[in-house]
Amino acid sequence: EVQLVESGGGLVQPGGSLRLSCAASGFTFSSYWMSWVRQAPGKGLEWVANIKQDGSEKYYVDSVKGRFTISRDNAKNSLYLQMNSLRAEDTAVYYCARLVWEPYYFDYWGQGTLVTVSS
Amino acid sequence: QSALTQPASVSGSPGQSITISCTGTSSDVGGYNYVSWYQQHPGKAPKLMIYEVSNRPSGVSNRFSGSKSGNTASLTISGLQAEDEADYYCSSYTSSSTSRFGTGTKVTVL
Repeated sequence: EVQLVESGGGLVQPGGSLRLSCAASGFTFSSYWMSWVRQAPGKGLEWVANIKQDGSEKYYVDSVKGRFTISRDNAKNSLYLQMNSLRAEDTAVYYCARLVWEPYYFDYWGQGTLVTVSS
Repeated sequence: QSALTQPASVSGSPGQSITISCTGTSSDVGGYNYVSWYQQHPGKAPKLMIYEVSNRPSGVSNRFSGSKSGNTASLTISGLQAEDEADYYCSSYTSSSTSRFGTGTKVTVL
């Protein structure tokens, strides 16, 4: 059974940093692209970032470029999101999702971890 | 990178059919058959319902179907049931190798 379990969320002050983790199990992690998708309270889904199987390609939504870094450790079956220079508008539930690159869809999702940016 | 356009809400009575539209551009919805749809119940993670415009994953009811014409994709739910009440989001691959979600549609079963 595919499982994705996020952790690392919490309350952080504006300008601060946080590192999210996603532990994957039940599939060959190194064979899949992975993604982060977020959802602000009461709002819709917003794609954040993608990373290729070997980490050689990464894509970001414009609003987080230069502030967020997606990475992975295939030996640990783990996905990460390093978030720096956090802003109030980054407040959201962050979901880890498995991405099937062709024909491009998110087939499994974690339960999400809440990040709150507030003073 | 604005969101794809969906109606804010759609409603129907049990047994009826409803259709949710998802409008983008030639750089996303219109340019690729890489449109997917997700169902989200309150407080839960999204669930894949349709991929590659019209394909259903194993385990998803055949009451859910998808289509596309030009820059607009559509999700149809036939034989509407109480458990279909949820938020629905479309998503598309884009020419920038990124992803774009729709604004979301709240489906209400009357």
